Amino acid sequence: AQSVSQHNHHVILSEAASLELGCNYSYGGTVNLFWYVQYPGQHLQLLLKYFSGDPLVKGIKGFEAEFIKSKFSFNLRKPSVQWSDTAEYFCAVNADDYKLSFGAGTTVTVRA
Amino acid sequence: DVKVTQSSRYLVKRTGEKVFLECVQDMDHENMFWYRQDPGLGLRLIYFSYDVKMKEKGDIPEGYSVSREKKERFSLILESASTNQTSMYLCATSAGELFFGEGSRLTVL
Repeated sequence: AQSVSQHNHHVILSEAASLELGCNYSYGGTVNLFWYVQYPGQHLQLLLKYFSGDPLVKGIKGFEAEFIKSKFSFNLRKPSVQWSDTAEYFCAVNADDYKLSFGAGTTVTVRA
Repeated sequence: DVKVTQSSRYLVKRTGEKVFLECVQDMDHENMFWYRQDPGLGLRLIYFSYDVKMKEKGDIPEGYSVSREKKERFSLILESASTNQTSMYLCATSAGELFFGEGSRLTVL
């Protein structure tokens, strides 16, 4: 079974700073990759996904992620964060079955 | 929009009680999932179902069972609740990506 590792448990940064959240997975075959976000008090929602094609994926709210197959990574980025980006972020991977495996999550706190 | 509805947002139960968590989806998706979410552990898959009356164990099925009698409804059952099952339970359906309900926060005393 695949496993997903998120590098940071909690990230604190100021508005307008750049954000990068690391995600690595352990599976050698074809994968589908996702980033989900959970804003305080809300349900999980999809930020972006990668199935195939261009390894640089753009999502909602100015987020993007880059799939680097050789590094088994799918890092999430945003050039300039806002206070409203305060949330918990989850990387998820699905290989050759129905199951989606999630990382432990990264809490992002943006200070105004 | 996909709608995934979990019947209870907050529950408080006592150790040994039987607990039912219900989930209903309105998008005719075949795949449905139950996850639990715990701080520092992310989401862990308990059970999933890819068709009516079909179920598969996830990564942490111990202490849980599920029922899928109709396509739109997927129930999670705790036969005898224990304190280590205090958690947030998330139901999801999938069609290429997962769509989540708002969660059921269960406290077992």
